[in-house]
Amino acid sequence: EIVMTQSPVTLSVSLGERATLSCRASQSVNSNLAWYQQRPGQAPRLLIYGVSTRATGVPARFSGSGSGTEFTLTISSLQSEDFAVYYCQQYNQWPPFAFGPGTRLD
Amino acid sequence: EVQLVQSGAEVKKPGESLKISCKASGYSFPSYWIAWVRQEPGKGLEWMAIIYPVDSDTTYNPSFQGLVTISVDKSIDTAYLQWSSLKASDTAMYYCVRGSTITTFYDSWGQGTLVTVSS
Repeated sequence: EIVMTQSPVTLSVSLGERATLSCRASQSVNSNLAWYQQRPGQAPRLLIYGVSTRATGVPARFSGSGSGTEFTLTISSLQSEDFAVYYCQQYNQWPPFAFGPGTRLD
Repeated sequence: EVQLVQSGAEVKKPGESLKISCKASGYSFPSYWIAWVRQEPGKGLEWMAIIYPVDSDTTYNPSFQGLVTISVDKSIDTAYLQWSSLKASDTAMYYCVRGSTITTFYDSWGQGTLVTVSS
């Protein structure tokens, strides 16, 4: 079973700043890595899939990178609506398709 | 527009049974896998199980095997998650999600169904 970890648990940032979130897999997931955003009181939504492809409607300030076991989500200039919890998910090996524990942007 | 609309919040007692639903619209229901994801209060996301509507091919997270059952009714484009005997530890938000294959990301999420189990 692949275990996903994320760091930091909480990231304190200010409007307009750059945020860098990390995700690590216990073994290679190739390029089968997605990121989701969950705003308070809402369902998660897909941000990034295939490590770096933005989902429909996702602003260009969101970008993903990495390979194998180490991945990064970068938000180039934080907007107020970006303060949320971000989860990574591997879909390379099942079951289960594990999610990371999340990083909260404060 | 692709939509997954889930049934409303439920309050149940331990030992009771429950079946929640996820109604799909805006796409060809048989063409996509439907998975269920649990989120306990204040916690992260847990992948529970997945089903292919064409033939009801199903795979469970071993952590949930035997505890829940997922199913579909192709005639009404609806997926289900059910419990035969609820526990307090089943209290959580449950999301249905759509994926194009069994090994993929989820591009559409239901709004969630909150299940509360309390005596």
